Amino acid sequence: KAGVTQTPRYLIKTRGQQVTLSCSPISGHRSVSWYQQTPGQGLQFLFEYFSETQRNKGNFPGRFSGRQFSNSRSEMNVSTLELGDSALYLCASSPRTSGDTQYFGPGTRLTVL
Amino acid sequence: AQTVTQSQPEMSVQEAETVTLSCTYDTSESNYYLFWYKQPPSRQMILVIRQEAYKQQNATENRFSVNFQKAAKSFSLKISDSQLGDTAMYFCAFRGGSGANSKLTFGKGITLSVRP
Repeated sequence: KAGVTQTPRYLIKTRGQQVTLSCSPISGHRSVSWYQQTPGQGLQFLFEYFSETQRNKGNFPGRFSGRQFSNSRSEMNVSTLELGDSALYLCASSPRTSGDTQYFGPGTRLTVL
Repeated sequence: AQTVTQSQPEMSVQEAETVTLSCTYDTSESNYYLFWYKQPPSRQMILVIRQEAYKQQNATENRFSVNFQKAAKSFSLKISDSQLGDTAMYFCAFRGGSGANSKLTFGKGITLSVRP
């Protein structure tokens, strides 16, 4: 099976812009989670989607949003970008939710100038 | 809320030797799952090993094994016969059994360097 894929791999934006990141889970996986990784804060949970419904949400401002489509592909959107949003955004998929191992994609490296 | 603590920021080991990475966690749940993930430099995060809290037997995957002490809330990773390819950042992670606790909570990670 193909692994989790994320597009784009690298992105450069300026403050105030918005960005959309995409994640395609492993075939058959219905749960997709998003994480932000920074040197200072480490890995922080953004949100989890299962069967097109947000099941869980981390402690991030409303500028961060996401959605999941019927084919389980997911997108996350960040509006009004700030310098502090520069990070590696990781997507992970699992067959279901609780307990299942999450498998990670390569990430999208977002740089905000 | 769950917390995961990895107190050692960096470790170094000679090739072919054994190294143990420490992790402690805090939770009030009885049903949960613990993981070690590896993130090589500029490369993808991959699963090293998984442990279900209800299983008393420690998980093993080839050269990787864990010492799971449920009462002490400790979950250490032992890497035997260390190889240069083991050089990476290692994250300990906790995943609850249900609902709002089903997200992965990560420790800060430990940078492991394997010396030739």
